[in-house]
Parts: sequence; C-alpha cells; structure tokens
Amino acid sequence: EPEVTQTPSHQVTQMGQEVILRCVPISNHLYFYWYRQILGQKVEFLVSFYNNEISEKSEIFDDQFSVERPDGSNFTLKIRSTKLEDSAMYFCASSEASQGSAFFGQGTRLTVV
Amino acid sequence: KNEVEQSPQNLTAQEGEFITINCSYSVGISALHWLQQHPGGGIVSLFMLSSGKKKHGRLIATINIQEKHSSLHITASHPRDSAVYICAAFSPGRNQFYFGTGTSLTVIP
Repeated sequence: EPEVTQTPSHQVTQMGQEVILRCVPISNHLYFYWYRQILGQKVEFLVSFYNNEISEKSEIFDDQFSVERPDGSNFTLKIRSTKLEDSAMYFCASSEASQGSAFFGQGTRLTVV
Repeated sequence: KNEVEQSPQNLTAQEGEFITINCSYSVGISALHWLQQHPGGGIVSLFMLSSGKKKHGRLIATINIQEKHSSLHITASHPRDSAVYICAAFSPGRNQFYFGTGTSLTVIP
C-alpha cells in the first residue's frame, strides 16, 4: 500500500537553529500539506502546496516557515530560527486531487531546547 | 469557534463493549477522515468518507451529509484499540482539513 514517509521521526534542535523536516509524498500525488500538533492540543493546519506554490496557509505559517519541493519527490518544511514554542509533532499529507482523499505521514516530533 | 466538534473527549470502556465516537462539523466538506493516533504520536488514517457507511474489521464509520455528522463505531472493543481518535473534515473551498480535538479511548481488559 502506498504511504507518505517522513524523516526524521524525532529531531532535537537548539533554539535559534534552522531545521528542515522532510516528507516523501505518494508519487502521483499533486497536493501536499503540512500540519502540526503541539503536545496536548489539536492538529492545526499550516500550509497547502500545489503546482510548486503555496495555495493556502494559516496564521501560524509566518515568515520563519517555508516549504519547498526541491526535486520532484521530497516536500520539505523549513523553520528558519526555531523557538521553544515550535516544539510539536509535524505531519505531512499528500493527495491526488484536492478533494480530501489524503494520506498522512507518521509525523516528525520536533523538540526545541 | 471550532469547525469540527468531537464527543466524548475521553472514553473508558470494558473490553468487549460497543463504542461510539461522534463528530459534527459546520463547514462545507467533500470528505471526512477518521484518524487513529497512538501514544507515540503517529497518525493512521482509518477511513475516508464522503457519504454513507464504511466497514473495516471491527470498525464502522458513517456519515450523514444533511445533518453534518459522522460516527465511528468499534464493535467488540479490545485494549489494543486504546488510542486517540480524531475526526478531520476536508474543506475544498479552503483546501485544508479541519481537525477535531480528538477522543481519547481507553479499553480496560
């Protein structure tokens, strides 16, 4: 069965450092998403990406965040200068069409110290 | 304001019991997912529904589009079903999912 894979599964970084979270979506999918879940809170939308550009983003997705599809297979989320409050589980998802049949990755747990 | 509401927030059941988790939504959707999140945090998609009912093993999911309501049922619950169950509704107008707060289920042997 196809799956979305995320690496690393857990990343610890110092405050102020840049981190890149990686996702490999399902190969024929065209729509890509990042979500995050702060411990004990609900999952929140960050950004959606289609045709090599951002199609929607939330208020959380400020200038310290960026996304990229650098090589046609990976989909990355970069956090430029991490803060303690960026500590969360980050989930990637992809779908073939923009109708909600998305597959979710297992998540990357980011801990900022 | 929560676009997706789930109930109950917490649920404890004895092994073998029939369990129902409810989800109501207020946005226009094209699909609704039921997700399972285990203590490690990883998410597994259980069902994607746009109408009617789906069954997979002991799990059944239903959706009523007119009433904007979905339910997840677990028959003959087992301790390994213990997890957080999350309802996520996809809004094509906003091209994003709206998530419920999750239902934490504990099944006691």
